[in-house]
Amino acid sequence: SAVISQKPSRDICQRGTSLTIQCQVDSQVTMMFWYRQQPGQSLTLIATANQGSEATYESGFVIDKFPISRPNLTFSTLTVSNMSPEDSSIYLCSVEEQETQYFGPGTRLLVL
Amino acid sequence: GNSVTQMEGPVTLSEEAFLTINCTYTATGYPSLFWYVQYPGEGLQLLLKATKADDKGSNKGFEATYRKETTSFHLEKGSVQVSDSAVYFCALIKNTGGFKTIFGAGTRLFVKA
Repeated sequence: SAVISQKPSRDICQRGTSLTIQCQVDSQVTMMFWYRQQPGQSLTLIATANQGSEATYESGFVIDKFPISRPNLTFSTLTVSNMSPEDSSIYLCSVEEQETQYFGPGTRLLVL
Repeated sequence: GNSVTQMEGPVTLSEEAFLTINCTYTATGYPSLFWYVQYPGEGLQLLLKATKADDKGSNKGFEATYRKETTSFHLEKGSVQVSDSAVYFCALIKNTGGFKTIFGAGTRLFVKA
């Protein structure tokens, strides 16, 4: 199965700033996903990122707030822009491989 | 639409007790079914999966059987350990009309020594 790493693993940020989260996969994958997990909650899909095309955002998420890059088949970034305390969450990168999803360790973000 | 319903937690058990976490689903067609586990401070790990009716997924002593007649995929373990304390997510994946995963709300398990 794919091995996924994320950086940073955690961060504490001031409101109004932006944070870029990196996701690296040890194999080439077509589909990558970004999820948000608010404290004590299940996962919410932010967007699907395929290499060579614009990311597809779910309802309630917009590109200006969560810009995504997907420059190649092993890497993606998610930026959380103009942060507010409501953005405090775990952000998870995920890939699809053989019709199964695999997840990175997550980035724990606290916005003050 | 497609949905996954899990039993509410938290579930608190003593070590060596029998575990069942109920999961039922609503979906058209034939989804694949999954259980993921999230240990404290970590991401989600795939625990087991089943891709067709009557399949049994198993891993680390956990089992779940894909029951199409009852649209269920209940997670069971015969004897839990303190190290099994985590949040468990049931999920279904539909790969028709686009790849889409639907997660349940998660069930938190506490195992006491």
